[in-house]
Amino acid sequence: SQQGEEDPQALSIQEGENATMNCSYKTSINNLQWYRQNSGRGLVHLILIRSNEREKHSGRLRVTLDTSKKSSSLLITASRAADTASYFCATDLNNAGNMLTFGGGTRLMVKP
Amino acid sequence: SQTIHQWPATLVQPVGSPLSLECTVEGTSNPNLYWYRQAAGRGLQLLFYSVGIGQISSEVPQNLSASRPQDRQFILSSKKLLLSDSGFYLCAWSVKGELFFGEGSRLTVL
Repeated sequence: SQQGEEDPQALSIQEGENATMNCSYKTSINNLQWYRQNSGRGLVHLILIRSNEREKHSGRLRVTLDTSKKSSSLLITASRAADTASYFCATDLNNAGNMLTFGGGTRLMVKP
Repeated sequence: SQTIHQWPATLVQPVGSPLSLECTVEGTSNPNLYWYRQAAGRGLQLLFYSVGIGQISSEVPQNLSASRPQDRQFILSSKKLLLSDSGFYLCAWSVKGELFFGEGSRLTVL
């Protein structure tokens, strides 16, 4: 089974609204990463949060990590139509950073 | 800067035919390389990863194999494709634990 599971599976919002996606995982991690995928394209790395960090910001992105609950959230503020994509969380299970395990993703649609 | 090239972009193959997908990385040396597969509307499944020339680790027993004949070249192959091999195949390389993906190869097996 997958290590990470995103929730919700699909999300539809209006432009300007905030979008929140959640990720739960099962085992201890070294770090957690969020990626974005436009339809039919490769994934693009958004942000990495280490297990000893609780919150991280990058532009309109805010990621939180709660290791006690084994969960993370990705918040996109003031969404734009161009934010429409699938978003995946990925967990790094080993300290060598050789392997990332991906969740099933959240499909975000931002309506103009 | 580093770039990753993956080809072909799309491929339609009959059942039982062979497969070869190629991935090359430029601008870095001794990268960790990965092959992932993505079923429609799903997450990524790690198929193979390599930490060096000739070093391949397989994560899922399957009809596929991988080879790394050169430092920055990673090849995904099959001798006989199955219908279940259809999917979107992504090559990636990593630095400091972050993955950088190619644009993917969409394989349809008929």
